[in-house]
Amino acid sequence: QTVVTQEPSFSVSPGGTVTLTCGLSSGSVSTSYLPSWYQQTPGQAPRTLIYNTNVRSSGVSDRFSGSILGNKAALTITGAQADDESEYRCVLYMGSGLWVFGGGTKLTVL
Amino acid sequence: QLQLQESGPGLVKPSETLSLTCTVSGGSISSSIHYWDWIRQPPGEGLEWIAAIYYTGRTYYNPSLKSRVTISVDTSKNQFSLKLNSVTAADMAVYYCARHTRDSGDFSWGQGTLVPVSS
Repeated sequence: QTVVTQEPSFSVSPGGTVTLTCGLSSGSVSTSYLPSWYQQTPGQAPRTLIYNTNVRSSGVSDRFSGSILGNKAALTITGAQADDESEYRCVLYMGSGLWVFGGGTKLTVL
Repeated sequence: QLQLQESGPGLVKPSETLSLTCTVSGGSISSSIHYWDWIRQPPGEGLEWIAAIYYTGRTYYNPSLKSRVTISVDTSKNQFSLKLNSVTAADMAVYYCARHTRDSGDFSWGQGTLVPVSS
């Protein structure tokens, strides 16, 4: 089965910019995979940030943006704030109704 | 405002069947543009998509779980359900019900319910 890859961890300085990626163990991510991003803090349900590559969910700050960079989907956070410290998870649509999540990236703001 | 609420037993014994129900409020499960999902997250781990269903009863399953999973919908009660049989300790997780829009990764999430597996 295809594996969806994410960086296990990343750190960013307050006010800085960070780009997290979501790839495939084999092949390239394109918009047809409907890459989507979720933010999750401990003990909480995920919150949708970006869906279908670059559509910001209602109420999400414009500091969050999505794109395709090279052969991966990307989530860019600008002006990082302390409360951005979370787990970030991506999902890809594999067709035939099947969705596969990545393992998540733990983002530290320090 | 869409709300999704999971309900089910607090504990499941190994080899038994895990049964969960998601009650949908603030929206119709018979929506033509939405699909209804079960997603789980073992403690300290990532998310795993389990299955989805359309209001007509059309189902979609994760191949790795398909042999043990049944998802069903009850439009009269605005609910959908999950059954996972022959559970083991590896099935212990927070189980989320969710909704996604057709051709979209825009998931709306329930709060999740932790299902321990223990004798």
